[in-house]
Amino acid sequence: EVQLVESGGGVVQPGGSLRLSCAASGFTVSSYYMNWVRQAPGKGLEWVSVMFSGGNTYYADSVKGRFTISRHISKNMLDLQLNSLRPEDTAVYYCAGGPTGGILVYWGQGTPVTVSS
Amino acid sequence: ETVLTQSPATLSLSPGERATLSCRASQNVDTYLLWYQQKPGQAPRLLIYDGSYRASDIPARFSGSGSGTDFTLTISSLEPEDSAVYYCQQRSNWPPLTFGGGTKVEIK
Repeated sequence: EVQLVESGGGVVQPGGSLRLSCAASGFTVSSYYMNWVRQAPGKGLEWVSVMFSGGNTYYADSVKGRFTISRHISKNMLDLQLNSLRPEDTAVYYCAGGPTGGILVYWGQGTPVTVSS
Repeated sequence: ETVLTQSPATLSLSPGERATLSCRASQNVDTYLLWYQQKPGQAPRLLIYDGSYRASDIPARFSGSGSGTDFTLTISSLEPEDSAVYYCQQRSNWPPLTFGGGTKVEIK
């Protein structure tokens, strides 16, 4: 059974950093297209970043230069490093992916990030 | 970036009725259009991919159609558990993946 479990969310001050993790089971993260998608309180879905199975990475303009996606093959995990956080980064962050690019078959339960002073 | 516009914002229907949700793309996305269902406090769930293909374990009352810039999600006969927000998403011109703003379906 495929499962994604996020962790690492919390409350951080503006300008601070957090590292989110997504533990995968039932498949290997290096074989799938793995994404981060976020949802601000009461708002819609916003794509944040993707790591292709081949290792290429891409980011939304809103986070480019501040967020970094990476994976740990031995731990079968996907990470998202969030730096220079802003209040508008407040959201639930979901890890999501699948074997075909752009099709988000599998989703984690999400981890909340609050950026506030 | 491809902008997706969903309508209506809210749909209020009775059980057994037919729901028709629309998604319009700002440029041609061929058939690379997906639909997700999200219930309160839950992660989104994939319903339809590439225009008309139902994902695993999705009931047959859900169907998708369209190509190019105009797409429709149809729920043929609403069940109480279909109360949710529905999002469209395109994967034609990506990255970035883009989502529509959502349609909330309420069951009377």
